[in-house]
Amino acid sequence: GENVEQHPSTLSVQEGDSAVIKCTYSDSASNYFPWYKQELGKRPQLIIDIRSNVGEKKDQRIAVTLNKTAKHFSLHITETQPEDSAVYFCAAGYGFNKFYFGSGTKLNVKP
Amino acid sequence: DGGITQSPKYLFRKEGQNVTLSCEQNLNHDAMYWYRQDPGQGLRLIYYSQIVNDFQKGDIAEGYSVSREKKESFPLTVTSAQKNPTAFYLCASSMRQRTDTQYFGPGTRLTVL
Repeated sequence: GENVEQHPSTLSVQEGDSAVIKCTYSDSASNYFPWYKQELGKRPQLIIDIRSNVGEKKDQRIAVTLNKTAKHFSLHITETQPEDSAVYFCAAGYGFNKFYFGSGTKLNVKP
Repeated sequence: DGGITQSPKYLFRKEGQNVTLSCEQNLNHDAMYWYRQDPGQGLRLIYYSQIVNDFQKGDIAEGYSVSREKKESFPLTVTSAQKNPTAFYLCASSMRQRTDTQYFGPGTRLTVL
């Protein structure tokens, strides 16, 4: 089955700096890669996603890049703000039975 | 994601009790899911349903049961056979596939006393 590894597990940055979170996956058939943000005690919320026919996608301060050859994808947050502090999860897979989440990255943005 | 609700928000269970967690959605989604989240870990799939009256086991189904009698509802029962049920439980729904955008409910925090 699919195996998704996410790094780092914790990340601390200064307000205004950029943050990068990386995920790798094992199944070359995976074709959908969403990123979720979860604040403490709240539900995960989709912040951006990318499909395998696209190499990069950007939405304001958030971008995701996908390298299918190397089987990794990354979340980039620029000009970080304290409200970006949360746990971020990546996921990868296809269909119903080959879809898995990473273990999460706790991002702390220091004012 | 405001169209998917879970209740209760907090639930306490004595050992040996079965408890049922509610999940309702008004998004007209065919597919619904239950995930378990433990501290410092990602989401693990318990059960999922692609259509009414049909559901399938996920990766950690032992000690849990579900039903899907209505499109809008997908309750999860945590049975006494689940040895370590203390966790945060999240319900989600999507149009048809797990690779459609999944919308999550607010979660239920279950604690065993």
